[in-house]
Amino acid sequence: AQSVTQPDIHITVSEGASLELRCNYSYGATPYLFWYVQSPGQGLQLLLKYFSGDTLVQGIKGFEAEFKRSQSSFNLRKPSVHWSDAAEYFCAVGLYNFNKFYFGSGTKLNVKP
Amino acid sequence: NAGVTQTPKFRVLKTGQSMTLLCAQDMNHEYMYWYRQDPGMGLRLIHYSVGEGTTAKGEVPDGYNVSRLKKQNFLLGLESAAPSQTSVYFCASSYGGNNQPQHFGDGTRLSIL
Repeated sequence: AQSVTQPDIHITVSEGASLELRCNYSYGATPYLFWYVQSPGQGLQLLLKYFSGDTLVQGIKGFEAEFKRSQSSFNLRKPSVHWSDAAEYFCAVGLYNFNKFYFGSGTKLNVKP
Repeated sequence: NAGVTQTPKFRVLKTGQSMTLLCAQDMNHEYMYWYRQDPGMGLRLIHYSVGEGTTAKGEVPDGYNVSRLKKQNFLLGLESAAPSQTSVYFCASSYGGNNQPQHFGDGTRLSIL
């Protein structure tokens, strides 16, 4: 079955530490890949997207993500986390020639002072 | 620029009641989507529309109806509310297709008693 997996439900990191959030997908072809962030009581905001080309993409708020075809992964990273990064993060895929997105179940990030 | 606006923000219904959620976007987007968000399940697509006058079923369409009479508006109706429909509902819009990022509203929190 086609799926988007975010294996970590909750992650806690200290402010200033590095961060990596994992995302794996299981689709036959390379999909379009996105990371969104959701702050409490808010809608989702796009952090970055990957369509093709350079496998390391830069996004807003200092985030980046790396697409690894061999691992079917699109992990989100940030070198130094700020307290304001505490939120829930969603990985999403869009399939070629379909008008739908599929979202992972989300990873909730807590930031310790 | 308002972006995507959802009304109401909160609502409590009794089982069996009906209601309509309104989504309005001012970005001239062709595509609009309705999702529900439940804890640990990410976002699941209810219905979507690829243009004025068109609608299509998503992943979890049962118990919901939609209409897209005007390009800027996408309405989600609950015919006979059930407790299983207690959720947070998000509307999103995009220029088109699954390679375009979606822009989200702030959500409607709906409780069915």
